[in-house]
Amino acid sequence: QLQLQESGPGLVKPSETLSLTCVVSGYSVSNNPYYWAWIRQPPGGRLEWIGTVYYSETIFYSGSTYYNPSLQSRVTISVDGSKNQFSLKLTSVTAADTAVYYCAAAPNPSWFDFWGRGTLVTVSA
Amino acid sequence: EIVLTQSPATLSLSPGERATLSCRASQSVSTFLGWYQQKPGQAPRLLIYESSNIFPGVPARFSGSGAGTDFTLTISSLEPEDFAVYYCQQRYSWPRTFGQGTKVEIK
Repeated sequence: QLQLQESGPGLVKPSETLSLTCVVSGYSVSNNPYYWAWIRQPPGGRLEWIGTVYYSETIFYSGSTYYNPSLQSRVTISVDGSKNQFSLKLTSVTAADTAVYYCAAAPNPSWFDFWGRGTLVTVSA
Repeated sequence: EIVLTQSPATLSLSPGERATLSCRASQSVSTFLGWYQQKPGQAPRLLIYESSNIFPGVPARFSGSGAGTDFTLTISSLEPEDFAVYYCQQRYSWPRTFGQGTKVEIK
């Protein structure tokens, strides 16, 4: 069973870069093409999709990424097959970026079949 | 971006009752709509995809319907573990978007 676990700082200062990692277990990121995503939820708010990356070490269009246009200029999602994990970087954060950040995964780019437990990131000086 | 609007915001029902939740899209999403359940302190869980397909492991009391702009999630007979917040999500276009949620609470 595929399992996901987010990790990273719980507190980030305004204007700095938020960096989170999602460790994948029960599934080989390198050997099996899959879609890996980040989604966030501000306190008391709705879910917001951040971006999705498709990763395969063997298929032509590996590394295809899709980002939310509202965040695209500040977001990078990358996959590290050797560590079986994927990462999120969000630059120039403000208080509006305070949220629970979830990593998610699916065999297609449509839905989010598997989720991590989420990690709260607070942006504050 | 497609905006999804859910109603009602809160649904107060008793165990055993039928729950009907609505999701309306700002433009047609065909049948490319799904539903998630989220309990306090937990990640969302996929229940329904492509409007009416039940995700593996989801109880049969959950069902979905609709096409175009209007969709419904029905829980035929509420169990105690069904009291939660439910979100709809569209996969018709990028960016993927979610509704604001409907809370199903115990009356």
